[in-house]
Amino acid sequence: KAGVTQTPRYLIKTRGQQVTLSCSPISGHRSVSWYQQTPGQGLQFLFEYFSETQRNKGNFPGRFSGRQFSNSRSEMNVSTLELGDSALYLCASSPGLAGLNEQFFGPGTRLTVL
Amino acid sequence: KQEVTQIPAALSVPEGENLVLNCSFTDSAIYNLQWFRQDPGKGLTSLLLIQSSQREQTSGRLNASLDKSSGRSTLYIAASQPGDSATYLCAVSTIKAAGNKLTFGGGTRVLVKP
Repeated sequence: KAGVTQTPRYLIKTRGQQVTLSCSPISGHRSVSWYQQTPGQGLQFLFEYFSETQRNKGNFPGRFSGRQFSNSRSEMNVSTLELGDSALYLCASSPGLAGLNEQFFGPGTRLTVL
Repeated sequence: KQEVTQIPAALSVPEGENLVLNCSFTDSAIYNLQWFRQDPGKGLTSLLLIQSSQREQTSGRLNASLDKSSGRSTLYIAASQPGDSATYLCAVSTIKAAGNKLTFGGGTRVLVKP
Protein backbone atom coordinates (compact mmCIF):
# COMPACT_ATOMS: atom_id res chain seq x y z
CA LYS A 1 0.00 0.00 0.00
CA ALA A 2 1.28 3.48 -0.76
CA GLY A 3 1.95 5.63 2.27
CA VAL A 4 0.69 9.09 3.10
CA THR A 5 1.77 11.63 0.49
CA GLN A 6 2.02 15.38 0.87
CA THR A 7 2.47 18.02 -1.79
CA PRO A 8 4.36 20.19 -2.25
CA ARG A 9 7.36 19.09 -0.20
CA TYR A 10 8.85 22.57 -0.01
CA LEU A 11 7.28 25.99 -0.32
CA ILE A 12 8.56 29.54 0.00
CA LYS A 13 6.06 32.37 0.41
CA THR A 14 6.10 35.98 1.54
CA ARG A 15 4.19 37.57 4.38
CA GLY A 16 0.55 38.28 3.57
CA GLN A 17 0.24 35.57 0.94
CA GLN A 18 -1.87 32.48 1.33
CA VAL A 19 -0.91 28.85 0.84
CA THR A 20 -2.67 25.53 0.26
CA LEU A 21 -1.11 22.22 1.25
CA SER A 22 -2.37 18.83 0.14
CA CYS A 23 -2.42 15.43 1.81
CA SER A 24 -3.42 12.06 0.34
CA PRO A 25 -4.03 9.44 3.03
CA ILE A 26 -3.35 5.73 2.85
CA SER A 27 -6.00 4.03 0.75
CA GLY A 28 -8.99 3.13 2.89
CA HIS A 29 -8.15 5.56 5.68
CA ARG A 30 -10.93 7.99 6.48
CA SER A 31 -9.23 10.26 9.00
CA VAL A 32 -6.67 12.94 8.19
CA SER A 33 -5.05 15.04 10.90
CA TRP A 34 -2.79 18.05 10.43
CA TYR A 35 0.08 19.13 12.67
CA GLN A 36 2.51 22.02 12.77
CA GLN A 37 6.06 21.31 13.91
CA THR A 38 8.48 24.06 14.92
CA PRO A 39 11.71 23.92 16.94
CA GLY A 40 10.22 26.12 19.66
CA GLN A 41 6.72 24.66 20.04
CA GLY A 42 7.25 21.07 18.94
CA LEU A 43 4.38 19.18 17.33
CA GLN A 44 1.05 20.92 17.68
CA PHE A 45 -2.32 19.59 16.55
CA LEU A 46 -4.16 21.74 14.02
CA PHE A 47 -7.30 19.78 13.14
CA GLU A 48 -8.71 16.39 12.22
CA TYR A 49 -11.09 15.54 9.41
CA PHE A 50 -13.11 12.36 9.28
CA SER A 51 -15.57 11.56 6.50
CA GLU A 52 -15.39 15.17 5.25
CA THR A 53 -16.25 16.64 8.66
CA GLN A 54 -13.92 18.47 11.01
CA ARG A 55 -13.93 16.40 14.19
CA ASN A 56 -11.38 18.18 16.31
CA LYS A 57 -9.54 21.47 16.28
CA GLY A 58 -6.42 22.72 18.02
CA ASN A 59 -5.68 26.21 19.31
CA PHE A 60 -4.80 27.98 16.09
CA PRO A 61 -6.23 31.22 14.68
CA GLY A 62 -8.93 31.20 12.04
CA ARG A 63 -6.28 31.86 9.35
CA PHE A 64 -5.71 28.12 9.44
CA SER A 65 -8.45 26.13 7.80
CA GLY A 66 -8.89 22.81 6.11
CA ARG A 67 -11.24 20.54 4.28
CA GLN A 68 -11.56 16.95 3.27
CA PHE A 69 -12.93 15.58 0.02
CA SER A 70 -15.08 12.54 -0.60
CA ASN A 71 -11.98 10.50 -1.54
CA SER A 72 -10.48 11.38 1.89
CA ARG A 73 -7.80 13.64 0.43
CA SER A 74 -7.39 16.74 2.53
CA GLU A 75 -6.17 20.28 2.00
CA MET A 76 -4.99 22.79 4.54
CA ASN A 77 -5.06 26.52 3.86
CA VAL A 78 -3.24 29.30 5.65
CA SER A 79 -4.22 32.85 4.77
CA THR A 80 -2.36 36.09 5.44
CA LEU A 81 0.90 34.32 6.17
CA GLU A 82 3.09 35.50 9.03
CA LEU A 83 6.78 34.85 9.64
CA GLY A 84 5.84 32.61 12.56
CA ASP A 85 3.99 30.26 10.22
CA SER A 86 7.31 28.95 8.96
CA ALA A 87 7.25 25.30 9.99
CA LEU A 88 7.09 21.69 8.91
CA TYR A 89 3.44 20.81 8.31
CA LEU A 90 2.68 17.14 8.78
CA CYS A 91 -0.43 15.21 7.99
CA ALA A 92 -1.32 11.82 9.35
CA SER A 93 -3.95 9.33 8.34
CA SER A 94 -5.67 6.57 10.27
CA PRO A 95 -8.36 4.05 9.37
CA GLY A 96 -10.75 5.48 11.97
CA LEU A 97 -10.73 8.43 14.31
CA ALA A 98 -7.18 9.55 15.09
CA GLY A 99 -7.57 9.29 18.85
CA LEU A 100 -8.64 5.65 18.64
CA ASN A 101 -6.31 4.29 15.98
CA GLU A 102 -2.68 4.13 14.98
CA GLN A 103 -1.57 7.15 12.99
CA PHE A 104 0.64 7.11 9.91
CA PHE A 105 2.49 10.26 8.93
CA GLY A 106 3.48 11.73 5.61
CA PRO A 107 6.91 13.27 4.88
CA GLY A 108 5.69 16.80 5.55
CA THR A 109 5.66 20.12 3.71
CA ARG A 110 8.39 22.56 4.72
CA LEU A 111 6.92 26.08 4.55
CA THR A 112 9.22 29.08 4.72
CA VAL A 113 7.65 32.54 5.04
CA LEU A 114 9.93 35.46 4.14
CA LYS B 1 -5.17 19.82 29.97
CA GLN B 2 -2.91 16.89 29.08
CA GLU B 3 0.80 17.58 29.24
CA VAL B 4 3.36 15.14 27.90
CA THR B 5 7.02 15.37 28.88
CA GLN B 6 10.03 13.51 27.58
CA ILE B 7 13.22 13.63 29.60
CA PRO B 8 16.04 13.81 28.72
CA ALA B 9 15.76 16.01 25.63
CA ALA B 10 18.93 14.46 24.23
CA LEU B 11 20.90 11.29 24.81
CA SER B 12 24.21 9.97 23.51
CA VAL B 13 25.23 6.31 23.94
CA PRO B 14 27.90 4.01 22.50
CA GLU B 15 26.81 1.39 20.02
CA GLY B 16 25.57 -1.81 21.66
CA GLU B 17 24.24 -0.15 24.78
CA ASN B 18 20.53 -0.46 25.59
CA LEU B 19 18.45 2.70 25.23
CA VAL B 20 15.81 3.73 27.76
CA LEU B 21 13.50 6.58 26.73
CA ASN B 22 10.93 8.07 29.06
CA CYS B 23 7.53 9.64 28.50
CA SER B 24 5.32 11.02 31.25
CA PHE B 25 1.77 12.39 31.07
CA THR B 26 -0.40 14.27 33.53
CA ASP B 27 -3.91 12.96 32.76
CA SER B 28 -4.27 9.20 33.20
CA ALA B 29 -7.57 9.05 31.25
CA ILE B 30 -5.81 7.89 28.11
CA TYR B 31 -7.06 5.69 25.31
CA ASN B 32 -3.67 4.74 23.90
CA LEU B 33 -0.07 5.85 23.62
CA GLN B 34 2.04 5.73 20.50
CA TRP B 35 5.82 5.92 20.03
CA PHE B 36 7.29 7.44 16.89
CA ARG B 37 10.69 7.92 15.38
CA GLN B 38 11.59 11.03 13.35
CA ASP B 39 14.70 11.45 11.23
CA PRO B 40 15.90 15.04 10.60
CA GLY B 41 13.54 16.95 8.30
CA LYS B 42 11.33 13.92 7.76
CA GLY B 43 7.92 12.73 8.84
CA LEU B 44 7.19 10.44 11.77
CA THR B 45 7.43 6.67 11.60
CA SER B 46 5.15 4.73 13.91
CA LEU B 47 7.06 2.31 16.13
CA LEU B 48 4.60 0.93 18.68
CA LEU B 49 1.02 1.57 19.78
CA ILE B 50 -0.04 0.56 23.30
CA GLN B 51 -3.70 0.48 24.22
CA SER B 52 -4.60 1.71 27.71
CA SER B 53 -5.52 -1.85 28.74
CA GLN B 54 -2.05 -3.15 27.85
CA ARG B 55 1.08 -3.09 30.00
CA GLU B 56 3.59 -3.53 27.22
CA GLN B 57 4.09 -4.00 23.50
CA THR B 58 7.07 -5.50 21.68
CA SER B 59 8.44 -5.33 18.15
CA GLY B 60 11.87 -6.74 17.42
CA ARG B 61 14.45 -4.89 19.51
CA LEU B 62 11.81 -2.45 20.74
CA ASN B 63 9.74 -2.85 23.88
CA ALA B 64 7.37 -0.24 25.27
CA SER B 65 5.77 -0.36 28.69
CA LEU B 66 2.81 1.62 30.01
CA ASP B 67 1.91 2.44 33.61
CA LYS B 68 -1.28 4.50 33.45
CA SER B 69 -1.60 5.01 37.19
CA SER B 70 1.80 6.68 37.43
CA GLY B 71 1.43 8.42 34.07
CA ARG B 72 4.51 6.87 32.51
CA SER B 73 5.66 4.97 29.45
CA THR B 74 9.15 3.73 28.69
CA LEU B 75 10.58 2.72 25.35
CA TYR B 76 13.47 0.25 25.49
CA ILE B 77 15.71 -0.30 22.48
CA ALA B 78 18.02 -3.26 22.91
CA ALA B 79 21.57 -3.36 21.57
CA SER B 80 21.49 0.10 19.97
CA GLN B 81 22.95 0.67 16.51
CA PRO B 82 24.07 3.89 14.76
CA GLY B 83 20.94 3.57 12.59
CA ASP B 84 18.84 4.09 15.72
CA SER B 85 20.03 7.70 15.85
CA ALA B 86 16.89 9.84 15.51
CA THR B 87 14.39 11.78 17.59
CA TYR B 88 11.85 9.64 19.42
CA LEU B 89 8.43 11.09 20.26
CA CYS B 90 5.56 9.76 22.28
CA ALA B 91 1.95 10.78 21.71
CA VAL B 92 -0.92 10.28 24.12
CA SER B 93 -4.57 9.99 23.09
CA THR B 94 -6.64 11.49 25.91
CA ILE B 95 -10.29 10.55 26.29
CA LYS B 96 -12.53 13.57 25.85
CA ALA B 97 -16.29 13.76 25.41
CA ALA B 98 -15.83 15.91 22.33
CA GLY B 99 -13.40 13.41 20.80
CA ASN B 100 -10.02 12.09 21.79
CA LYS B 101 -7.09 14.42 21.32
CA LEU B 102 -3.49 13.54 20.65
CA THR B 103 -0.79 15.33 22.59
CA PHE B 104 2.88 14.93 21.70
CA GLY B 105 5.90 15.12 23.93
CA GLY B 106 8.86 17.28 22.95
CA GLY B 107 10.92 14.26 21.94
CA THR B 108 14.27 12.77 22.92
CA ARG B 109 17.08 13.19 20.39
CA VAL B 110 19.23 10.06 20.39
CA LEU B 111 22.76 9.70 19.05
CA VAL B 112 24.31 6.23 18.93
CA LYS B 113 28.07 6.50 18.47
CA PRO B 114 29.89 3.74 16.56
